[in-house]
Amino acid sequence: AQKITQTQPGMFVQEKEAVTLDCTYDTSDQSYGLFWYKQPSSGEMIFLIYQGSYDEQNATEGRYSLNFQKARKSANLVISASQLGDSAMYFCAMSRPDMGRRALTFGSGTRLQVQP
Amino acid sequence: DSGVTQTPKHLITATGQRVTLRCSPRSGDLSVYWYQQSLDQGLQFLIQYYNGEERAKGNILERFSAQQFPDLHSELNLSSLELGDSALYFCASSGGDTTLTDTQYFGPGTRLTVL
Repeated sequence: AQKITQTQPGMFVQEKEAVTLDCTYDTSDQSYGLFWYKQPSSGEMIFLIYQGSYDEQNATEGRYSLNFQKARKSANLVISASQLGDSAMYFCAMSRPDMGRRALTFGSGTRLQVQP
Repeated sequence: DSGVTQTPKHLITATGQRVTLRCSPRSGDLSVYWYQQSLDQGLQFLIQYYNGEERAKGNILERFSAQQFPDLHSELNLSSLELGDSALYFCASSGGDTTLTDTQYFGPGTRLTVL
């Protein structure tokens, strides 16, 4: 079965510094999507970035970039120039092959706290 | 704002009761997904509808049911509620029905508390 592992339950970063949130995954599927979502304390889930398994280049969206290493099955999120508003839970997710790649399976999340 | 709306925002009810959660997808999206987020189980996929048809079914209890209406809004019905059903229920929508090309955008969630 596919599985997402986020090994960092919590992380601290200084404002304006870069931070990397780790995500490793396990799947036997050849085609899959990898996603990162942000969940602030208010509770909503905000889409950040997407990486397809066949994309040759790492995805970037503003201050977010995804360090995709397919052979290592890792999809780490890099946030550059951290801001206080980046303090939130961050979830890594991937396509579920057992659901025809229609649904997502999520990791347990990493709580990021940005310090002034 | 993702464009996905969910009502109500909060719901408090008693064990044994039945509730209905409502979701309106983003304009133009045909797929609606339901997820449950609880402290012990994390984020779990429940069910997906695409243009009115059930397409994928996850860890959804038999006491729970869902449907998608012709106007594409969806409802999740939870019955015979138990304390363990207390959770944050998310609806998400996407244009198509594959995560290979379509991003799921989440609504603000409905927080259900069963007393």
